[in-house]
Amino acid sequence: QKEVEQNSGPLSVPEGAIASLNCTYSDRGSQSFFWYRQYSGKSPELIMSIYSNGDKEDGRFTAQLNKASQYVSLLIRDSQPSDSATYLCAVNRTGRRALTFGSGTRLQVQP
Amino acid sequence: DAGVIQSPRHEVTEMGQEVTLRCKPISGHNSLFWYRQTMMRGLELLIYFNNNVPIDDSGMPEDRFSAKMPNASFSTLKIQPSEPRDSAVYFCASSLGASGLYEQYFGPGTRLTVT
Repeated sequence: QKEVEQNSGPLSVPEGAIASLNCTYSDRGSQSFFWYRQYSGKSPELIMSIYSNGDKEDGRFTAQLNKASQYVSLLIRDSQPSDSATYLCAVNRTGRRALTFGSGTRLQVQP
Repeated sequence: DAGVIQSPRHEVTEMGQEVTLRCKPISGHNSLFWYRQTMMRGLELLIYFNNNVPIDDSGMPEDRFSAKMPNASFSTLKIQPSEPRDSAVYFCASSLGASGLYEQYFGPGTRLTVT
């Protein structure tokens, strides 16, 4: 089992729809969770961090964390073509400063 | 504030040559990370430093790779000798590292091609 798992996609949604990206992790003691966006040929860009169970909203983005089920999700409301990118889930495992990244989900927003 | 700075942005070299990648973390950040990204393996942690001290180098592929952080403002990743399979994008990232907060910020990366 991979430490951090994501569906590679591509996930295709129409412009204006809600995009839902999911991530599961194996280390039950993980404490910090992050979503990065990576455009083709660019570096990962931090868009959301979440540390406790529940929802965290920032503009069109909502991160959801469920530690009991060991999953993290990212919702993007009113998806725009400019949201088309690869979204990386990252987890801070117990006792490590370093992050473990999933392989990413490619999102395509169709105009 | 300036973000993480990496140089060079692109490097093309021949097999067997030495390659040195450079990174300047965000001022005030005390943790620095080197990652490698390829299509096949995704984003892999190579090594990270905390307060200039290497903490975990278990991701360094082999003895051909070495990393140093002589001060809080500068780190290098060296490959000697380089091989074609080292071709990848190498990212440096830094974080404040305060307890419980591990948000990492990435530099633009160095695209390395070894022929």
